Amino acid sequence: DVKVTQSSRYLVKRTGEKVFLECVQDMDHENMFWYRQDPGLGLRLIYFSYDVKMKEKGDIPEGYSVSREKKERFSLILESASTNQTSMYLCASSSLAGGSPLDEQYFGPGTRLTVT
Amino acid sequence: LAKTTQPISMDSYEGQEVNITCSHNNIATNDYITWYQQFPSQGPRFIIQGYKTKVTNEVASLFIPADRKSSTLSLPRVSLSDTAVYYCLVGDPLTTSGTYKYIFGTGTRLKVLA
Repeated sequence: DVKVTQSSRYLVKRTGEKVFLECVQDMDHENMFWYRQDPGLGLRLIYFSYDVKMKEKGDIPEGYSVSREKKERFSLILESASTNQTSMYLCASSSLAGGSPLDEQYFGPGTRLTVT
Repeated sequence: LAKTTQPISMDSYEGQEVNITCSHNNIATNDYITWYQQFPSQGPRFIIQGYKTKVTNEVASLFIPADRKSSTLSLPRVSLSDTAVYYCLVGDPLTTSGTYKYIFGTGTRLKVLA
């Protein structure tokens, strides 16, 4: 079974703090993705990575950065958290080399981030 | 720019067939249409994907007309455990930049009643 784990289920941070969200997958998948999920807006792609040290902007990259130093780990970084970044953050991975988000993705349980 | 439209919610009774339609204009002509299921407090789970006509797996069927402006997820004989939110996912080619935008629908909340 593919397992995608996220470092925290719930996180509360203050405005202006630097926030790290970690995601680890155990199936040697090539591609990893970060989404945010908001009521009425569905899931929106923030960034994805198709290889170590490679990244591509998704639909809403502003205010975020990512890091992929190892194949199994993909980090989402909020350089200076703001209240409008309060959301559910979901990480996913997929196996096809050079794949797109339209390939079958395996999602983690999500991190609910609250910025106060 | 592609836009997806799904019904916000649907109710059904156990044992019935449920059809959920996602309307999507201007999607990529050579990419899959994918559907996910999400239970509370969990990430989405892949159900099915297709390119055209009909695809069936052990869980669901997916119907895609020739114009690919919509897709219909069909769940045969639903049970209480099928109560979840269902999302379609499509790709939208941004011709000006040559890159893609990936668009999840806003989801359809299916409630199965006993």
